[in-house]
Amino acid sequence: DIQMTQSPSSLSASVGDRVTITCRASQSFSRHLNWYQQKPGQAPKLLIYAASSLQRGVPSRFSGRGSGTDFTLTISSLQPEDFATYYCQQSYSTPFTFGPGTKVEIK
Amino acid sequence: QITLKESGPTLVKPTQTLTLTCTFSGFSLSTSGVGVGWVRQPPGKALEWLALLYWNDDRRYNPSLKSRLTITKDTSKNQVVLTMTNMDPVDTATYYCIHSSYPSSIQLWLFDYWGQGTLVTVSS
Repeated sequence: DIQMTQSPSSLSASVGDRVTITCRASQSFSRHLNWYQQKPGQAPKLLIYAASSLQRGVPSRFSGRGSGTDFTLTISSLQPEDFATYYCQQSYSTPFTFGPGTKVEIK
Repeated sequence: QITLKESGPTLVKPTQTLTLTCTFSGFSLSTSGVGVGWVRQPPGKALEWLALLYWNDDRRYNPSLKSRLTITKDTSKNQVVLTMTNMDPVDTATYYCIHSSYPSSIQLWLFDYWGQGTLVTVSS
């Protein structure tokens, strides 16, 4: 199985801050990496697929990059509605695995 | 508009079998590059992929649970059913039904639509 790790596990930030979350895979693949946002009491929502492609309807302040084993999700200017938990997920091979999540909290 | 909705028991006893039904609309499971599957999330914990049923009737399971899981479909009812045997309190979680697609332009599976989830508690 491909193991996914994320750092940090949580962070505190202010509205307007630039935030970057890192995801690392236990083995290399090119771009089979997706990012999801989950707000309390809600189902996850697809934000970024194929490492850097923005899902329809997702604001352009979200961006993703990376390949191989290291990937990042960046929020260029944090908005109040962005406070949530973010998960990376590899779709390179089954079992599809998720990272442990990064909780973005209000400072 | 794609929608998915989970249904099933909210409480099961240890050793019992859980049966969850996903009723979907807005797409056909017969369409190439489409799948329906399940992801679960224990309270306060991370997401765990369980199973995926592809448009061509192929099935994939999480090996850690494979011996306990079965995923089937009823095409006429637009439903996918997940059964999990020998339930244990550690299986207490919110279970999500997911629509998965495999766009030919990017050639990878993504979970682009999710049901609202159903909380299943395992307790005697």
